[in-house]
This record gives sequence, C-alpha cells and structure tokens, in this order.
Amino acid sequence: ETGVTQSPTHLIKTRGQQVTLRCSSQSGHNTVSWYQQALGQGPQFIFQYYREEENGRGNFPPRFSGLQFPNYSSELNVNALELDDSALYLCASRTSTDTQYFGPGTRLTVL
Amino acid sequence: SQQGEEDPQALSIQEGENATMNCSYKTSINNLQWYRQNSGRGLVHLILIRSNEREKHSGRLRVTLDTSKKSSSLLITASRAADTASYFCVTDNQGGKLIFGQGTELSVKP
Repeated sequence: ETGVTQSPTHLIKTRGQQVTLRCSSQSGHNTVSWYQQALGQGPQFIFQYYREEENGRGNFPPRFSGLQFPNYSSELNVNALELDDSALYLCASRTSTDTQYFGPGTRLTVL
Repeated sequence: SQQGEEDPQALSIQEGENATMNCSYKTSINNLQWYRQNSGRGLVHLILIRSNEREKHSGRLRVTLDTSKKSSSLLITASRAADTASYFCVTDNQGGKLIFGQGTELSVKP
C-alpha cells in the first residue's frame, strides 16, 4: 500500500461533459503529480503541484486543470471531454525525496 | 514524449528463471527508476538508481545504470508467478516530472 488513494475507481462520461477526479496523498507529501495512461502505453505526465501551485506541466491542453489543497488532497478537472481522454488517470505524491508513490488510478471512459 | 524505451516489449519465462529487461533513454537524468504495474492498475516503485551509481540491489532485483550508453537493466532473479506484470523504466530529469517508457510485459509461468 502506498498510502495514496483515488476516487472514483471507474467513471463513465459522454463527450463534451466535465469530470473531476480526486486524490488523497500521504500526510506530509507536499508535491502531487497527475498522469494519463492510455491503454497499452506508459503514463504521460499531465502536471505537478507543489504547495498548492502548479509548477510543471506536460503537453496537455488548458482544459486539463488541477487543484491542490492544504489537507494533502488534490483534484484533476477535465472540461469538454473528448473520446481520446479515455484512459487510466494516476496521481502520485512525494516529499522532497525522489520516490513518488502512486495511487491505484481512476479509469475514465468517454462515450 | 517518451524518454525510455524498454526491450523486450514482452517476455515469457518459467518460474525460477531469471528475467532481464533493458532500457535506453535519450537525455541526461538525475535518476532512473523502475516501476511495476499489475493489470493496468496502480504503479509500485521498485528501485531508484542515481546518476552517479552503477549498480543497485534490492532483494531479488538488480539494477545497473550506464550513463555513457544511456542505458539501464533490471534483473529479477528466481522469478515467481507473482512477478507477472508490466515493468516500466522511468527517468527523472526535470524536478519530479517522470517520463515513462512503454514498458515490458513479463509473464512468469508456473
């Protein structure tokens, strides 16, 4: 167990809708990152938050946004869902060390 | 963009055999990590090797790093059926932004 939890486990949405995914990190983990993993691929970095500020972003459009809260929880929001957004979304948290601890993921299906 | 490329893409062995997976990457790194993923779920951190290290061991795992060749290898000794999973080589060169390869799918048959 990594101590990182995500909700919901599975989610089905239709194209054009908006979705919010949630992550709860270990206490003391002040950095959280989100990744998108398409079927059969390795995870792709979406963005990273440190002390509630975004401090790194991958090649994802602005309709992917996030929030980090003081209680070590965070959210990933995706607006105007597209079919290609169907994927496993993973969050990972860490302290100042290099090891990142991943949650079990949320599998999003866009119809 | 992907940094690491794992080789082979798929590996099937018998229980008790050793499994070797290789990884190549393109740019300079702070460290290189290996993760395991079971059935498309969460990722489990296996081992981290820093750019100034050449070899590291953890239980049945042995990782090597050759920064001059920009390559790494993961050896799992005396494999078990429970080792069946996808294994990812992951580089960290930009302050926590992990870059994953496409992974090696390992199947260990009892």
